[in-house]
Amino acid sequence: EVKLVEYGGGLVQPGASLRLSCEASGFTFSDFYMEWIRQAPGKGLEWIAASRNKANDYSTVYSASVKDRFTISRDTYKSILYLQMNTLKPEDTAIYYCARGLSHWGQGVMVTVSS
Amino acid sequence: DIVLTQAPLSVSVTPGESASISCRSSKSLLSSKGITSLYWYLQRPGKSPQLLIYQMSNLASGVPDRFSSSGSETDFTLKISKVETEDVGVYYCGHRLEYPWTFGGGTKLELK
Repeated sequence: EVKLVEYGGGLVQPGASLRLSCEASGFTFSDFYMEWIRQAPGKGLEWIAASRNKANDYSTVYSASVKDRFTISRDTYKSILYLQMNTLKPEDTAIYYCARGLSHWGQGVMVTVSS
Repeated sequence: DIVLTQAPLSVSVTPGESASISCRSSKSLLSSKGITSLYWYLQRPGKSPQLLIYQMSNLASGVPDRFSSSGSETDFTLKISKVETEDVGVYYCGHRLEYPWTFGGGTKLELK
């Protein structure tokens, strides 16, 4: 069974950094694209970052809204996907979901950026 | 970026009746491999999104066959027949044709 469990969210001040983690199990982590998607309170879904699979050298892609501030990475030995978020802004407040190819989603973790 | 426009914003359905949701793309979602990159998701209240349909018309694992989807290269329809209580939530279309992957704004399904 595919399982994705996010953690690391919380309340931070504007300008701060935070790292989210997503523990993956039930599949061969290196074989799949992995993504982060977020959902601001009461809003729709926004794809923000992708890590391609091993066959594609784990290359990464970002949305314009987070490019140069967020970094997606993997620990392939531990099967953990990360999202390093720097220079956080109030508009980054959202539930952050980890997903595998957008076909399997984690339960999400809340990030609140507020002073 | 590809813009996906959903209609209606909300739909109220009597249990047992059918419902249809539309999704229109600003660009053809037909890939060079002949696959139409259109996906449908359901987000039940307080839950994560769940994949319903992949590549425009294929039912995801475990999804009841009351759900179906069809369309062209830019216009798509999700149909839910015999709506049940568990179908309540927000439906999103999305694409994976090219980055950035984008989603429609969502359609809220409620029961009468």
